Amino acid sequence: SQQGEEDPQALSIQEGENATMNCSYKTSINNLQWYRQNSGRGLVHLILIRSNEREKHSGRLRVTLDTSKKSSSLLITASRAADTASYFCATDASGGSYIPTFGRGTSLIVHP
Amino acid sequence: EAGVAQSPRYKIIEKRQSVAFWCNPISGHATLYWYQQILGQGPKLLIQFQNNGVVDDSQLPKDRFSAERLKGVDSTLKIQPAKLEDSAVYLCASSSSGGRGEQFFGPGTRLTVL
Repeated sequence: SQQGEEDPQALSIQEGENATMNCSYKTSINNLQWYRQNSGRGLVHLILIRSNEREKHSGRLRVTLDTSKKSSSLLITASRAADTASYFCATDASGGSYIPTFGRGTSLIVHP
Repeated sequence: EAGVAQSPRYKIIEKRQSVAFWCNPISGHATLYWYQQILGQGPKLLIQFQNNGVVDDSQLPKDRFSAERLKGVDSTLKIQPAKLEDSAVYLCASSSSGGRGEQFFGPGTRLTVL
């Protein structure tokens, strides 16, 4: 079964608005990563947050991690039409194996 | 820096036929992954190599799927015989971090089994 599950499954917003998507997972992790997938560029890594970190920023992206709730959120600020894509979280269960597991993803549509 | 290369990009076969996919990872990346992504779902890890050794293949249907990474560089994934439910995009990724960091994905091979 998949470790991470994203919520919502689909999100539709207007350009300029913020988009928030969440990821929940079941077991302790080493790292959590967010990826974006669109038809033009395939799967692209966005950001990695380690289990001992609580928040990371990269440009318009902000990721938080709450290990007590086994959840993470990805915030995209001031969204653009080019942000239209599917967003996946990937976790690797702690224990040394570092085997990555992807969720089903959140489909984001940003209307111009 | 050249990215992860995959071929072919598209393949259409009939059920019970065989098919093979090829992946060339980013130079110097010791870790190589094969994923299966069915429409509407996230990528599912089939097999993970570290150099030419298998780290995990627990989700690889070994009765019909096989993969190898000779010399720890290129890799091939084979399906024999194919079933209708194998229709998916097969993604190859590589990493320099042994699974601890960013994965770089290839464009994928879209397989249609008729």
